[in-house]
Amino acid sequence: EPEVTQTPSHQVTQMGQEVILRCVPISNHLYFYWYRQILGQKVEFLVSFYNNEISEKSEIFDDQFSVERPDGSNFTLKIRSTKLEDSAMYFCASSAEGLISYEQYFGPGTRLTVT
Amino acid sequence: GESVGLHLPTLSVQEGDNSIINCAYSNSASDYFIWYKQESGKGPQFIIDIRSNMDKRQGQRVTVLLNKTVKHLSLQIAATQPGDSAVYFCAEGLMDSNYQLIWGAGTKLIIKP
Repeated sequence: EPEVTQTPSHQVTQMGQEVILRCVPISNHLYFYWYRQILGQKVEFLVSFYNNEISEKSEIFDDQFSVERPDGSNFTLKIRSTKLEDSAMYFCASSAEGLISYEQYFGPGTRLTVT
Repeated sequence: GESVGLHLPTLSVQEGDNSIINCAYSNSASDYFIWYKQESGKGPQFIIDIRSNMDKRQGQRVTVLLNKTVKHLSLQIAATQPGDSAVYFCAEGLMDSNYQLIWGAGTKLIIKP
């Protein structure tokens, strides 16, 4: 069964450093998403991406964040200058269509620890 | 503001019993609701959804009930198994839109042997 994959599974970085989190969505999906989950808290939407453009972003997704689809398979989330409060699980998801009634498939997540 | 929330952060259930996980929502315009299951160390997984023109929807061992009058959503799991141990999230949204779902805080389901 096709699945979303994410690398690395755990990333430790120092405050102020740049990190890039990588995702490989399901191959025939066109819509891609990043979510964040601070430990023990709810899942928070960050950004959606379609046709090489951001479709929607939340208030969390400020100028420190950017997304890119550098090739036909990868979808990345970059945090330019990490803060302690960026420590969280980051989930990538993809779906075949953009309406919320179409199931989003989530990856296993990347745990980001900022020290 | 509008929000989605859960009544109980943790629910302990005996193996074999039925589980009921509750969720309150406050946006009366929401017409689409999803339950997700998140097992330890994994991403959320879709369980079941329901549209506002329905009161009840059944899946395999799971039933979602929607009470629009009191803006309440519940997930019933029949004959709970150890594999049901997870955090369960409800989420609400507008079905015919690209606007993202609003997620609730999550309820941790613990299965007692």
